[in-house]
Amino acid sequence: DAGVTQSPTHLIKTRGQQVTLRCSPKSGHDTVSWYQQALGQGPQFIFQYYEEEERQRGNFPDRFSGHQFPNYSSELNVNALLLGDSALYLCASSLLAGGPWTEQFFGPGTRLTVL
Amino acid sequence: AQSVAQPEDQVNVAEGNPLTVKCTYSVSGNPYLFWYVQYPNRGLQFLLKYITGDNLVKGSYGFEAEFNKSQTSFHLKKPSALVSDSALYFCAVRDIDPNFNKFYFGSGTKLNVKP
Repeated sequence: DAGVTQSPTHLIKTRGQQVTLRCSPKSGHDTVSWYQQALGQGPQFIFQYYEEEERQRGNFPDRFSGHQFPNYSSELNVNALLLGDSALYLCASSLLAGGPWTEQFFGPGTRLTVL
Repeated sequence: AQSVAQPEDQVNVAEGNPLTVKCTYSVSGNPYLFWYVQYPNRGLQFLLKYITGDNLVKGSYGFEAEFNKSQTSFHLKKPSALVSDSALYFCAVRDIDPNFNKFYFGSGTKLNVKP
């Protein structure tokens, strides 16, 4: 079992550009959540996808969007990049039917640097 | 709203000594609490969780956590620290809505274990 995988590992972009990050969940998981972890801070929830729909969203602008595919993999898109978008972006997967006590499994993250 | 707080940015201990990383919580309803560890340039790794039942929870790598309802705390502990335990530790609480596997993370505590 490969666990949660994310690509790419690192990205460097300039202000105003757009970026797409990718995530493959742990085998058997159907829910993907995205988190933003700024330097020195805890992860902040961006949104969650289940059954190819955005189910819940954190306090992030519409520049942040996503998608979930039939195989449960997911993409995070960020448009009009700002310097403040520089962070580690973490993908987490889980099985919704596992109940509220189910832990999330995290990928290694994508380090995005905006210049 | 659910939230957790980690009052210490950093904890320093000597190898072989017991360690405690503090976490307090504020929740509506039953608390589903988790501890994760993050090594440099890595994603989050699950350590342990509290669902209900015993107030002392055993986890991975010799870690345990003590749930205290009256003090609304969920402190992470280990009887004998190792240098390899040096990392960033995050406490998290799950969203009250069972339909959303959203976690709220603390700001993290950096654990330094010195030889």
